[in-house]
Amino acid sequence: EAQVTQNPRYLITVTGKKLTVTCSQNMNHEYMSWYRQDPGLGLRQIYYSMNVEVTDKGDVPEGYKVSRKEKRNFPLILESPSPNQTSLYFCASSLSLTWGTDTQYFGPGTRLTVL
Amino acid sequence: GQQVMQIPQYQHVQEGEDFTTYCNSSTTLSNIQWYKQRPGGHPVFLIQLVKSGEVKKQKRLTFQFGEAKKNSSLHITATQTTDVGTYFCAGVDSWDRGSTLGRLYFGRGTQLTVWP
Repeated sequence: EAQVTQNPRYLITVTGKKLTVTCSQNMNHEYMSWYRQDPGLGLRQIYYSMNVEVTDKGDVPEGYKVSRKEKRNFPLILESPSPNQTSLYFCASSLSLTWGTDTQYFGPGTRLTVL
Repeated sequence: GQQVMQIPQYQHVQEGEDFTTYCNSSTTLSNIQWYKQRPGGHPVFLIQLVKSGEVKKQKRLTFQFGEAKKNSSLHITATQTTDVGTYFCAGVDSWDRGSTLGRLYFGRGTQLTVWP
């Protein structure tokens, strides 16, 4: 089954404790992206990756890191989480983003609370 | 910077009424995507529009992309309770802008409530 998986689905942590949210897709997609969703603000792009070893900043990259060492995985790293990073996070993937026929598949989401 | 504005923020309709949500971009877009998110769920891709003036239909849903590729709309005919959710548009920067290929700019969404 084609899917995007994220782990963990829920996480409560404390300020400053490094964490990683994993994202994996099984569709051999080139494009992957991270978003955060906050009430009233919709979805905002954090980082995206057009292919392996290629990553770029989105709208709200501050406080986050990503890496794309292999095609299927795109982890999101919070080196020193702060309460303003409390949010619902979505990973997504697409075959590409540029050819007009590209469905973007979203993972189930990770609800992060930083105390 | 690039912005995608979406209105209305909320829409409450009675089952059977029509519904429309609108997106406007501050710059020309390469293409625009539409998503639906059910309460507690994740966004689900509905469609992507690429051509200027394009109109696409999916059963009761009609999607339009403006001639200037700066605005788009989603119209639902005769809403049903299964249409409940938040509808998002997302614009991809135009090729002409050179950079930021891969950036997606989401509108804030229109939350649709349908009562029987």
